[in-house]
Amino acid sequence: SQTIHQWPATLVQPVGSPLSLECTVEGTSNPNLYWYRQAAGRGLQLLFYSVGIGQISSEVPQNLSASRPQDRQFILSSKKLLLSDSGFYLCAWSRIKRSSTDTQYFGPGTRLTVL
Amino acid sequence: GESVGLHLPTLSVQEGDNSIINCAYSNSASDYFIWYKQESGKGPQFIIDIRSNMDKRQGQRVTVLLNKTVKHLSLQIAATQPGDSAVYFCAENIPYGGSQGNLIFGKGTKLSVKP
Repeated sequence: SQTIHQWPATLVQPVGSPLSLECTVEGTSNPNLYWYRQAAGRGLQLLFYSVGIGQISSEVPQNLSASRPQDRQFILSSKKLLLSDSGFYLCAWSRIKRSSTDTQYFGPGTRLTVL
Repeated sequence: GESVGLHLPTLSVQEGDNSIINCAYSNSASDYFIWYKQESGKGPQFIIDIRSNMDKRQGQRVTVLLNKTVKHLSLQIAATQPGDSAVYFCAENIPYGGSQGNLIFGKGTKLSVKP
């Protein structure tokens, strides 16, 4: 069966510090990978998605970047955090299909607080 | 479109009763729908999905109903238990949306189960 991991689970960082969140998927190969941010009481905001190694698409202009150095590894980064970067960050994966979007399965999330 | 706000709609039910959670989706071209359950501090968990060529799909204690005429989706939970307390949100897939990650997520409904 497939599992998705995220770490760290929680993070408190000062404004202006760098960020690196990691997501890994087990039990599948060549997945689509996604980074979302969820603010309190709001829906999921898609930040980045990737269909393969080194292939990253950004959905919104922002202070963050993403990388996919390996097939099942997805990293969310920032060089300098802003207060507005605080939130709950979720990684998700789906099987690649040619004609339709498959179910997305989420990781446990990382709670980021920028002070 | 989705309204912006910090307070989710809340449904409060008695343990053992049936729950019905509703979702109005936005696009008549949407062809695939998913219900997720999100407990506090955790990532969303897949519950059940349905494709647009169906009106109803049943799982264990859950049923999803799709009314394409009025663009309405509902999740029915039978014999609601305290462990069902969570935020439930729907997602719709809009095909050919120009984005690989084209699942659109609702903001959710908070289900509170009273013992």
